[in-house]
Amino acid sequence: AQSVSQHNHHVILSEAASLELGCNYSYGGTVNLFWYVQYPGQHLQLLLKYFSGDPLVKGIKGFEAEFIKSKFSFNLRKPSVQWSDTAEYFCAVNKAAGNKLTFGGGTRVLVKP
Amino acid sequence: GAVVSQHPSRVICKSGTSVKIECRSLDFQATTMFWYRQFPKQSLMLMATSNEGSKATYEQGVEKDKFLINHASLTLSTLTVTSAHPEDSSFYICSAREGYAETQYFGPGTRLLVL
Repeated sequence: AQSVSQHNHHVILSEAASLELGCNYSYGGTVNLFWYVQYPGQHLQLLLKYFSGDPLVKGIKGFEAEFIKSKFSFNLRKPSVQWSDTAEYFCAVNKAAGNKLTFGGGTRVLVKP
Repeated sequence: GAVVSQHPSRVICKSGTSVKIECRSLDFQATTMFWYRQFPKQSLMLMATSNEGSKATYEQGVEKDKFLINHASLTLSTLTVTSAHPEDSSFYICSAREGYAETQYFGPGTRLLVL
């Protein structure tokens, strides 16, 4: 069975700092990769996704992620965070053309003003 | 576009009663809908997958007779928690996808508290 792990459960940083959240998955076949964000009191929103092509994917709100197939990783980055980036971030994976989306445990990010 | 709604957003019920949660895709036809459960400070766990017009597929460990799922139309799926108990208290989230698209769009969730 596939699994997704997010290395950091909590991250605290100051505004303008750079953010990188790790995500690794354990499926050897072709996968689709997603990052979702859940702002306080709100529902999950799609930040970005990777299906194929350029492994560096740009999403909304200045976020980007890089798919490194050899490392089974899909790390999320943002060069300069804002207070409004305080949220919980979830990495998710499904098999290409598959139904089931498997989520990582989530990383709570707190950006101090 | 791609908006998914859930109703109710919060529900409190007595132990032994049944609760129905609705999930609607507002601006697209959802061939497939998914139901997740999220415990406090934990990730989303898939409960079941439902395709319009057919029986839901439940994940291992999820009781199909307790969590009844109906997906009667392309815009509506319902989850009924039957004979609810306090351990069923949780945050239930649905998602939907259009056709064979890979991206799921999530509803705002329903917080269930069983007393």
